[in-house]
Amino acid sequence: DAGITQSPRHKVTETGTPVTLRCHQTENHRYMYWYRQDPGHGLRLIHYSYGVKDTDKGEVSDGYSVSRSKTEDFLLTLESATSSQTSVYFCAISFGANPPTYEQYFGPGTRLTVT
Amino acid sequence: AQSVAQPEDQVNVAEGNPLTVKCTYSVSGNPYLFWYVQYPNRGLQFLLKYITGDNLVKGSYGFEAEFNKSQTSFHLKKPSALVSDSALYFCAVRDRGGNNNDMRFGAGTRLTVKP
Repeated sequence: DAGITQSPRHKVTETGTPVTLRCHQTENHRYMYWYRQDPGHGLRLIHYSYGVKDTDKGEVSDGYSVSRSKTEDFLLTLESATSSQTSVYFCAISFGANPPTYEQYFGPGTRLTVT
Repeated sequence: AQSVAQPEDQVNVAEGNPLTVKCTYSVSGNPYLFWYVQYPNRGLQFLLKYITGDNLVKGSYGFEAEFNKSQTSFHLKKPSALVSDSALYFCAVRDRGGNNNDMRFGAGTRLTVKP
């Protein structure tokens, strides 16, 4: 899984509670991404980061925030979880080399259930 | 915005037979195209990519894909399927003039290879 770890791997939480998912990488890659995977939708980008404290929104960012205070960690926060945020969340990295490799490499995923 | 269609939710083949998983795409410019595979309870694994050059690209585990610009397709193929190829396959596209963050994934095709 490209040196990417995600924690927790499984979480069950109640509607309205805050939740933070962590993505950790060990190889100082510049670009990091958070996706959610839902049946029939494939993967959809939530937020991404192109460096420490440099983040931007993806396709489905409503209800999510991110932070990246260190190169190796990219945090995804659900401020007030809703049942529609029940999903599998994947972190990914891409190699920002010159030339870049373009493809992305994924972590093992976090299965989040909001009850 | 770019998009990807995987017209088959499910593909079934017998072990030893050739397999094809279909993908068509839409981009405003020229595409970068990717195939990923996902095994149960795992993250996506990169299989192969088309960036430029030869329309037939070869990837991991004996897979290959052919870029067809006139048909806007990038079908994944393997000459002889293995039971261990059974998994979920995702096609992805990025506009060559776009950003790293602008990858679009198809909904996925579940491949089942029967002994």
